Amino acid sequence: EPEVTQTPSHQVTQMGQEVILRCVPISNHLYFYWYRQILGQKVEFLVSFYNNEISEKSEIFDDQFSVERPDGSNFTLKIRSTKLEDSAMYFCASSNQGSSYEQYFGPGTRLTVT
Amino acid sequence: AQTVTQSQPEMSVQEAETVTLSCTYDTSESDYYLFWYKQPPSRQMILVIRQEAYKQQNATENRFSVNFQKAAKSFSLKISDSQLGDAAMYFCASHSWGKFQFGAGTQVVVTP
Repeated sequence: EPEVTQTPSHQVTQMGQEVILRCVPISNHLYFYWYRQILGQKVEFLVSFYNNEISEKSEIFDDQFSVERPDGSNFTLKIRSTKLEDSAMYFCASSNQGSSYEQYFGPGTRLTVT
Repeated sequence: AQTVTQSQPEMSVQEAETVTLSCTYDTSESDYYLFWYKQPPSRQMILVIRQEAYKQQNATENRFSVNFQKAAKSFSLKISDSQLGDAAMYFCASHSWGKFQFGAGTQVVVTP
């Protein structure tokens, strides 16, 4: 069964550094998403992406964040200058029918900012 | 703005019994969708069930069913014949116009 994959599974970075989290969505999916979950808290929507542009973004998704689909398979989330409060689990998801339908989630990348 | 509230941090159920998880939401949109997601210890989110707000009929998916009360803005999940594999964090979520809002989650503990 096809699945969403994410790399790395765990990323440790120093405050102020840039990180890129990578996702490979399911191959025939057209809609892509990033979420984050701070430890012990609820899942928060960051951004949705379709047709090579951002469809929607939340208030969390400020100028330090960016997303890109650099090729036909990867979907990346870049955090430009990490802060301690960016430490969280970041989930990528994809769907083939738009965000009202089932999204398939990746296993997540745990980001630790020290 | 959308809000989703799950008032039960944890629910315990015995194997083969039934448990109901509550969820209330608030939205000003007329067109929205509601979801229940399961997050097992592996942390990967899995869709359990989906409900379109314009449909009056409650969604069901095998042992999982919802009680959707649109006027009350309530969307509870019933897990019947609970199994050990149902143990997980369950998140209620709403979606409208491309934006998602998740609740705080309910931890389901299944005891043999």
